Amino acid sequence: SAVISQKPSRDICQRGTSLTIQCQVDSQVTMMFWYRQQPGQSLTLIATANQGSEATYESGFVIDKFPISRPNLTFSTLTVSNMSPEDSSIYLCSVRRTSAGDEQYFGPGTRLTVT
Amino acid sequence: KQEVTQIPAALSVPEGENLVLNCSFTDSAIYNLQWFRQDPGKGLTSLLLIQSSQREQTSGRLNASLDKSSGRSTLYIAASQPGDSATYLCAAQGGSEKLVFGKGTKLTVNP
Repeated sequence: SAVISQKPSRDICQRGTSLTIQCQVDSQVTMMFWYRQQPGQSLTLIATANQGSEATYESGFVIDKFPISRPNLTFSTLTVSNMSPEDSSIYLCSVRRTSAGDEQYFGPGTRLTVT
Repeated sequence: KQEVTQIPAALSVPEGENLVLNCSFTDSAIYNLQWFRQDPGKGLTSLLLIQSSQREQTSGRLNASLDKSSGRSTLYIAASQPGDSATYLCAAQGGSEKLVFGKGTKLTVNP
């Protein structure tokens, strides 16, 4: 398995500001993902962040809005920039263990409310 | 494009009942299928992973099956308990390596 922590666990932010979410994993992993879960919805992949390469963004998500850093094999950050109320969601960090048949694990999430 | 559907969207059962949650996927060329549990306002907990070469996996009171040819997976929960109340999500991983999620089944087990 993998133990994943996220900071902050929740935040209330004003429109137009930015928030950086941190994700820490208890061991080295190559593949790390960031997801968004809007109220009452399922999970949507924002981007894949592999160490040593630029993050790969899904359709509808752009680097200027959601810049991602992946400085090493145990840590990543996601920034939500120039926030609007539509960005209010739970943001989840996830990792995949190729040694475990590609089982994927999730962090506890960051609940973001934009006012 | 892979699409994952879960039926029913919500299910309410009395404690002790055995139940089945359904998951279907449109592209049978999957690498694996994973079942998760999500408690309100929380992250996801991995329950079971079924690789494409497997037909089922078991963990405690949970049993998940996979039928690639029909594009279906089921999660069987035996002797349900109030603590099983949560939203259950299935996700299929295909050649693109992305996990594609269903919308989930919200389960309520009544004491």
